[in-house]
Amino acid sequence: AIQMTQSPSSLSASVGDRVTITCRASQAIRNDLSWYQQKPGKAPKLLIYAASTLQGGVPSRFSGSGSGTDFTLTISSLQPEDFATYYCLQDNKYPFTFGPGTKVDIK
Amino acid sequence: EVQLVQSGGGLVQPGGSLRLSCEVSGFTFSRFWMTWVRQAPGKGLEWVATMSPDENGIEGNGRDHADSVRGRFLIARDNAKNSLFLQLNNLRAEDTAVYYCARQNVVPNDFFDFWGQGTMVTVSS
Repeated sequence: AIQMTQSPSSLSASVGDRVTITCRASQAIRNDLSWYQQKPGKAPKLLIYAASTLQGGVPSRFSGSGSGTDFTLTISSLQPEDFATYYCLQDNKYPFTFGPGTKVDIK
Repeated sequence: EVQLVQSGGGLVQPGGSLRLSCEVSGFTFSRFWMTWVRQAPGKGLEWVATMSPDENGIEGNGRDHADSVRGRFLIARDNAKNSLFLQLNNLRAEDTAVYYCARQNVVPNDFFDFWGQGTMVTVSS
């Protein structure tokens, strides 16, 4: 199975900060990667698919990049509602695998 | 409005069985792949199973399960009832988790764009 890693596992940031989360795949997955935001007690929410395509309704401060094995999720200016845990997911090959998550909390 | 409403779940003893349901509305269910994802308490997300629009899909061709559940869990669907199911058999303590159903887009890439509210399964004696 393709293994996904994320870094950092957690970070503390302030409103207005630029935040970057990295996701790495154990083998090349083209652009077969999506990003999800999850808040406590809630279902995950799709942010980005195909590595860089913003899902409809998602604020433009979220962006994604990368291909092959290395990917990033960037929040250009962190807002109060962005404090959450973020997961990447590879859909290149079954079994689909999620990264372990990155928790973003308030500094 | 797209909605996925889950039911089922609860407390079951090890070795027991449970059936989860996910009733959808707001889109043509019979045209979409569907998936189950779970999350153990305090842990990350884990893909569990996926099914193509074909109700008769077979393992490896329209129906796939994670190694950790293959042979114990079975994903199924009833397109006439706009419903997705997950039959959980021979449950273990490590199956304790919140289970989510999700709609799976497959073009141009696979991703999960709408999710159910989640249902808790607790396996304990």
